[in-house]
Amino acid sequence: DAGVTQSPTHLIKTRGQQVTLRCSPKSGHDTVSWYQQALGQEPQFIFQYYEEEERQRGNFPDRFSGHQFPNYSSELNVNALLLGDSALYLCASSLQGGVNYGYTFGSGTRLTVV
Amino acid sequence: GNSVTQMEGPVTLSEEAFLTINCTYTATGYPSLFWYVQYPGEGLQLLLKATKADDKGSNKGFEATYRKETTSFHLEKGSVQVSDSAVYFCALTLTDSWGKLQFGAGTQVVVTP
Repeated sequence: DAGVTQSPTHLIKTRGQQVTLRCSPKSGHDTVSWYQQALGQEPQFIFQYYEEEERQRGNFPDRFSGHQFPNYSSELNVNALLLGDSALYLCASSLQGGVNYGYTFGSGTRLTVV
Repeated sequence: GNSVTQMEGPVTLSEEAFLTINCTYTATGYPSLFWYVQYPGEGLQLLLKATKADDKGSNKGFEATYRKETTSFHLEKGSVQVSDSAVYFCALTLTDSWGKLQFGAGTQVVVTP
């Protein structure tokens, strides 16, 4: 049973560019959340998607946007990249919001902005 | 607001020593509590969870009890191994938050042979 799959694993972009990160949730899960983890820091919640809608958003600017597809997979898009966007981006999947079920995290996409 | 406070690391232990990582929380509602572990270069793995007061989560020799009266969820392991070296995150989520996880700052644990 595959867990959460994220692609790509590593990415280098230039300041000002745009990037798209992808996530396939664990089989049976219908909710996808995205987190940003700067080096040496805890993960910070970006947003969560359920039924193809953004259900909650953390304190991130509009440059960060997302999408969930009918098969529950998800994309995270970041426009106008800044050096400070360099981080590990984690996708987590869960069932129906995950409050009582816990979350399964992927291994992340390491984004470096130069 | 909601927050999670963990003891600062790094915590350095010898193999077979007893491990405790303190975690306390502040929440406006009634949270579910989690411990996640992150090995170098990897994502987070759910270690254990508890969804109501006095629940004890346990996994791989690790335990934590949800203490509502002290708003705590301390992680313990009786005998650590070198392979337990990692960063441990305490986290909470609220029923009405659509599952948004609020993490503590993380505690690095280093176990030496």
